[in-house]
Amino acid sequence: NAGVMQNPRHLVRRRGQEARLRCSPMKGHSHVYWYRQLPEEGLKFMVYLQKENIIDESGMPKERFSAEFPKEGPSILRIQQVVRGDSAAYFCASSLNQDTYTEAFFGQGTRLTVV
Amino acid sequence: AQKITQTQPGMFVQEKEAVTLDCTYDTSDPSYGLFWYKQPSSGEMIFLIYQGSYDQQNATEGRYSLNFQKARKSANLVISASQLGDSAMYFCAINAGGTSYGKLTFGQGTILTVHP
Repeated sequence: NAGVMQNPRHLVRRRGQEARLRCSPMKGHSHVYWYRQLPEEGLKFMVYLQKENIIDESGMPKERFSAEFPKEGPSILRIQQVVRGDSAAYFCASSLNQDTYTEAFFGQGTRLTVV
Repeated sequence: AQKITQTQPGMFVQEKEAVTLDCTYDTSDPSYGLFWYKQPSSGEMIFLIYQGSYDQQNATEGRYSLNFQKARKSANLVISASQLGDSAMYFCAINAGGTSYGKLTFGQGTILTVHP
């Protein structure tokens, strides 16, 4: 049973470019959560998605950031016109449902570096 | 809103000794869950242990146990018989009831160093 898969593991972008981060949840999981970890800090919640729906985006910056989880394919976190402050590790987690939640399965993260 | 406080930026322990990592939390929700994660230098987030707010007994998973004191709002992680491979960053996290159980709030973390 494959775990949560994130790719790429490392991504380097120049200022102004777009970054696309992918997350494939565990098999059978339809709930995906994105987190950001700035250097020397804990993870901060960004967005919670179910298939084709954004449920909670209270942690998403208002501009340049968007997320989707289409009916087919992985969840995508998209950052437009990246700036140095976007450099961070981005983690994805998935769960089977929202009724009970006793373990969050995280991917290995994507480390974004903006140069 | 939920909040996690980890007051120990760094901890040191001798190999084979036990160590306690502190975590206090704040939430107004009567139903919540507490999690501990390990983040080694390679960067992945490894789930260690979970405690539900209504669980009567403290959670244990191998060498990890959670000292849950509900009245004090603390959920300290105890690692017994420390090993060199336990050296890592440790995060405490909480989720609460409502529509988004997977929405975890993390503390700032504690760096644990195990000495031989």
